[in-house]
Order: sequence, then structure tokens, then C-alpha cells
Amino acid sequence: QVQLQESGPGLVKPAETLSLTCNVSGGAISNYYWSWIRQTPGKGLEWIGYIYNGGSTLYNPSLKSRLTLSVDPSKNQLSLRLTSVTAADSAFYYCARDRLPHLLFYAFDVWGHGTLVTVSS
Amino acid sequence: SDELTQDPAVSVALGQTVRITCQGDSLIYHFASWFQQKPGQAPLLILYDKTDRPSGIPDRFSGSRSGNTASLTITGAQEEDEADYYCGSRDTSDNHAIFGGGTRLTVL
Repeated sequence: QVQLQESGPGLVKPAETLSLTCNVSGGAISNYYWSWIRQTPGKGLEWIGYIYNGGSTLYNPSLKSRLTLSVDPSKNQLSLRLTSVTAADSAFYYCARDRLPHLLFYAFDVWGHGTLVTVSS
Repeated sequence: SDELTQDPAVSVALGQTVRITCQGDSLIYHFASWFQQKPGQAPLLILYDKTDRPSGIPDRFSGSRSGNTASLTITGAQEEDEADYYCGSRDTSDNHAIFGGGTRLTVL
């Protein structure tokens, strides 16, 4: 059974760079679409972007200029890098897997527990 | 870009049927996925491809689509169904994922 575990700094200063990782266990990282999704406490879901097979990415247009997603297959690990953060980037950050290999449905059937990021000085 | 609109809150009496809707032009071309989220938990996929359920999701959850509106129906709502429900789909212009604002379901 595939399990995802996000990890990150918890607290980031404004204008700095947020870096998160998502460790994938119990299954292969290749051939699936992996998305990052965030949620401000008490608010709705916002899709951040996906990475597929290590090279193909699509980013939310609102974040595109600040965002980089990457994958390290040797570590079975996904990474998110968001530059120039502001308070508006404070949220729970989730990594999630699309349901079927090679197919993009945005039907996320596996989610991590999420990691809370607070942007504050 | 496309948007998905959901009613912020819906209530249902225990054992009754409730429909949660999601409206948006992208739904004319793409199926919705539906996610259930309980407090302190990650979202859970409960419906995809309009009507299909992942393994383990009770069959009281069903989906439908008409025009630009997707619906999640819970037939015989249970106390444990009290949660936030989000629809998801994709933007028709650049294919990125979009979510509705969520509907908080209260089971009375």
C-alpha cells in the first residue's frame, strides 16, 4: 500500500524559499502523476502543480513564476520549492498521487497527511 | 480560467438523501472527482469519472452529471458522512486542476 509523508520546515520567513519533500513508500514513483495541493486552515483546496516521470510538469498559473517541482527516483522522493513566500503561502501542503499510472485524471487516490507551513517573521 | 462553484453548506436529516452540486463550464467536457474531508484529515477520494467509487467507499455515495453541473448524492446519510466535500476537475484552457470551494455537510 502506497504511503506518502510530507516534511518541511514548519516556519519560513517572508521573501525566503519554501522547500518541502514527500517521501513515497510502498510503491513506485515512476509512471504516476504526482501533485502538490495546499489548503489554508479552514479554507478550500488549491492545486499547486504536478510532476510526471521526473520531467513533465504543469504548474498552477498563479504560482508558476515561483514554483519548481522535482523528483528523485533513487530516494522515491518528491520535492517542492516555492520562492519569495508571503503570508498568503501559509497552508497545509499535501502531496497526492493520481489514481492510475500514465493517466492524468486529477483523481487523487493517495494523499499524505500534510505538513503545515507558516510564513512569518 | 475555469471555476467550480459549490454551495458552502448543506444539511440533511439522518437517513435521508442529500445532493451536493458542483457547477462549472469545465464539467461539460471533463468529469468531476469528489473528495471527502473530515477535520484533521487529508481529503479522501470518494468518486471519480462521474460515477465510479474507489474500493471501500460505500455505495450510498453516487455521482451524476447534467450539462455543466456535477452532483454527489448520498442516499441514506449517516453520522459519519458529516464532512467537507470538494469537487475537482480540470481547466479547459491549460489543463491544470481546479477545485470547488467545498460544501460542508451537516447530518442532523
